[in-house]
Amino acid sequence: AQSVAQPEDQVNVAEGNPLTVKCTYSVSGNPYLFWYVQYPNRGLQFLLKYITGDNLVKGSYGFEAEFNKSQTSFHLKKPSALVSDSALYFCAVRDANNNDMRFGAGTRLTVKP
Amino acid sequence: DSGVTQTPKHLITATGQRVTLRCSPRSGDLSVYWYQQSLDQGLQFLIQYYNGEERAKGNILERFSAQQFPDLHSELNLSSLELGDSALYFCASSVVSGNGYTFGSGTRLTVV
Repeated sequence: AQSVAQPEDQVNVAEGNPLTVKCTYSVSGNPYLFWYVQYPNRGLQFLLKYITGDNLVKGSYGFEAEFNKSQTSFHLKKPSALVSDSALYFCAVRDANNNDMRFGAGTRLTVKP
Repeated sequence: DSGVTQTPKHLITATGQRVTLRCSPRSGDLSVYWYQQSLDQGLQFLIQYYNGEERAKGNILERFSAQQFPDLHSELNLSSLELGDSALYFCASSVVSGNGYTFGSGTRLTVV
């Protein structure tokens, strides 16, 4: 079955600095990869996805992610972090044959002024 | 508003009891997914329904069951509740494979 690893429980960055939230995946076929963000007491919100095509995917709120097949990674990035980006970020994967999506454990991003 | 509606938002109940959580998917979405989010277990996939039929099963306990009705709303039934069942339960929906999910705002279950 597919799985996702987010190696960092917590990422701290200063406002205005670039941020990276790491994700690696395991899947038997072609991966469908996703990033979601969760603000306190809210459901998960879709940020971006990779299905096929360009390895650099652009999403909501200035976020982007880079698909790297050889490293089986899908790291989330943003050139300049905002305090309002502070939230819990989840990476997720599903393969082309399975409908259920598996989520990583989440990474808590804190952006300090 | 994501378009996925979950009720109730909060639920407090005693151990041994049974509760039902309800989810109305986004209009046009045929698939409904249930997830459990707890502090120590992260986001765990429970079960998926597609157009009324069970499609995939994850780490769902035998004390838990779900169904999807002809109008596509879904219910998650939790019985013989234990303290460890306290968690946020999310419902999500999607229309086609390959797309992301749309999540509801969740039901926070507290078992005392």
